[in-house]
Amino acid sequence: EPEVTQTPSHQVTQMGQEVILRCVPISNHLYFYWYRQILGQKVEFLVSFYNNEISEKSEIFDDQFSVERPDGSNFTLKIRSTKLEDSAMYFCASSVGVSLSIGQYFGPGTRLTVT
Amino acid sequence: AQTVTQSQPEMSVQEAETVTLSCTYDTSESNYYLFWYKQPPSRQMILVIRQEAYKQQNATENRFSVNFQKAAKSFSLKISDSQLGDTAMYFCAHQTSGSRLTFGEGTQLTVNP
Repeated sequence: EPEVTQTPSHQVTQMGQEVILRCVPISNHLYFYWYRQILGQKVEFLVSFYNNEISEKSEIFDDQFSVERPDGSNFTLKIRSTKLEDSAMYFCASSVGVSLSIGQYFGPGTRLTVT
Repeated sequence: AQTVTQSQPEMSVQEAETVTLSCTYDTSESNYYLFWYKQPPSRQMILVIRQEAYKQQNATENRFSVNFQKAAKSFSLKISDSQLGDTAMYFCAHQTSGSRLTFGEGTQLTVNP
């Protein structure tokens, strides 16, 4: 069964450094999302992406964040200058469409630790 | 703005028994979707079941079923014949078409042998 993959599974970085989290969505999906989950808290929406542009973003998704689909398969989340509070689990998700109620399928997540 | 509330931080059940997890939501939209996601210790988010708001019939997926009360804005998950592998955090989520998922705080379910 097709699945969303994410790399790396765990990333440790120092405060102020740039990180890029990578995702490979399910191949026939058109909508891509990033969510984050700070340990012990709920999952929070960051951004959605369709047709090579951001379709929606949350108040969390400030100028330090950017997303890109550099080729036909990868979907990346970049954090330009990491802060301690960026430490969280980051989930990529994809869906085949928005009018179909099939839900969003999540990857296994990348645990980001900022020291 | 949509909100989702799960008022039970933790629940436990004996293996083979039935358990119900509660969820309420608030939205001004008339057309939306509701989901339950499972997050085991691996922290992977797994879609368990979904419900379309305009459908009267409650969704069912094997041992998992929902009780959708649209007027009350309630969406509970019933797990029948609980198994040890059902031990996980369960998140209720709401989505309007084309939009973000809004999650509740989660309910940690423990299935005891």
